[in-house]
Amino acid sequence: QSVLTQPPSVSGAPGQRVTISCTGSSSNIGAGYDVHWYQHLPGTAPKLLISGNSNRPSGVPDRFSGSKSGTSASLAITGLQAEDEADYYCQSYDGSLSGRVFGGGTKLTVL
Amino acid sequence: QVQLVQSGAEVKKPGASVKVSCKASGYSFSSYGLCWVRQAPGQGLEWMGWISAYNGDTNYAQKFQGRVTMTTDTSTTTAYMELRSLTSDDTAVYFCARVGGGGGMPGLDVWGQGTTVTVSS
Repeated sequence: QSVLTQPPSVSGAPGQRVTISCTGSSSNIGAGYDVHWYQHLPGTAPKLLISGNSNRPSGVPDRFSGSKSGTSASLAITGLQAEDEADYYCQSYDGSLSGRVFGGGTKLTVL
Repeated sequence: QVQLVQSGAEVKKPGASVKVSCKASGYSFSSYGLCWVRQAPGQGLEWMGWISAYNGDTNYAQKFQGRVTMTTDTSTTTAYMELRSLTSDDTAVYFCARVGGGGGMPGLDVWGQGTTVTVSS
């Protein structure tokens, strides 16, 4: 059971918008620690997609956006493309555990 | 370019130890910390710990304390992760990842290609 809770799967048709939630608690997201999002294709290295809650590293399309409120965060993907099909993970820091924590991951299927 | 290149796949017997290396290039090695993350078959990403390449300070996930040692060699800009007393549950792909710059707890902005560790009798 992950400290950060994500839906196991989401899906959407090409061109649509999907969101992936990441729910934490007062010891991690709610404590003010930043949330980061990663895109992971099987057999490859994860890729930092969103850092510091809402910042896109260079090269990440603006179709990807992140937000944070209270004890939760969200990743939104607009204009879905087939290449977006991947696993997505949120990550933060937990003060009670004194370490970084990942969500359980969400598999995005582009219909 | 900035990159992390990890050592090759390993097959170990239960009870053995494994040491995975992560060679950094293209940036000032001592200026960034490194994390180790693993992914077991069919499972999600799991954070194992962090090491400062500046002074060697470490912070291990509670689950691995006493069984893992992370080190760095600044002369070769290489980080190492040793995991002892292996069981089949340690079969996974192990990644090293650079902790981004800036304050607070930055994201992991550069990742190694992963090292597959298989534990089998």
